[in-house]
Amino acid sequence: AQTVTQSQPEMSVQEAETVTLSCTYDTSESDYYLFWYKQPPSRQMILVIRQEAYKQQNATENRFSVNFQKAAKSFSLKISDSQLGDAAMYFCAYRRRNKLVFGAGTILRVKS
Amino acid sequence: NAGVTQTPKFQVLKTGQSMTLQCAQDMNHEYMSWYRQDPGMGLRLIHYSVGAGITDQGEVPNGYNVSRSTTEDFPLRLLSAAPSQTSVYFCASKIGDRGYGYTFGSGTRLTVV
Repeated sequence: AQTVTQSQPEMSVQEAETVTLSCTYDTSESDYYLFWYKQPPSRQMILVIRQEAYKQQNATENRFSVNFQKAAKSFSLKISDSQLGDAAMYFCAYRRRNKLVFGAGTILRVKS
Repeated sequence: NAGVTQTPKFQVLKTGQSMTLQCAQDMNHEYMSWYRQDPGMGLRLIHYSVGAGITDQGEVPNGYNVSRSTTEDFPLRLLSAAPSQTSVYFCASKIGDRGYGYTFGSGTRLTVV
């Protein structure tokens, strides 16, 4: 069974600084997708970034980037120039075919 | 284009009552699914469907039923609510097997007393 582990229950970052959220996963598959979702207090699930396992290049979306280490089964999210609006719960997720498996989440607090 | 619509947004049930959580999407997505979110456990898959007339169980299916009579609708039924089913429920959809992005509804907060 696939599992996703987020080892940091909570993280804090100063506004304008950089923070990295960790995620590891366990799978025997070679073809899969990885995602980071943001859940603000509104409860809405917002897709932040995705990575296809067959791509070696790390995905980037504006201030958000990932460090995808396939052999180590690691998928960390880096947020640069943190903003107050980045404060939220962040979920790492693994997808193989139609099954999306989530980690327990990391609460990110942004200090002004 | 409304995306994924979930109703109701909040619900309180008494133990043993039944109810249906509604989910509808207007994007012609083949794949639809239901998740529950509990503190410290992330989101867990309850049931999913890859098209009209086809459903399958996820990680935590016990106590829940689903059906998919149309592409647009995927209701989740609680036959006899239990306090352990107190949770936030999300419906999500996507295009096909290779589709990347899941579109989530805004969630239903259910409390069973």
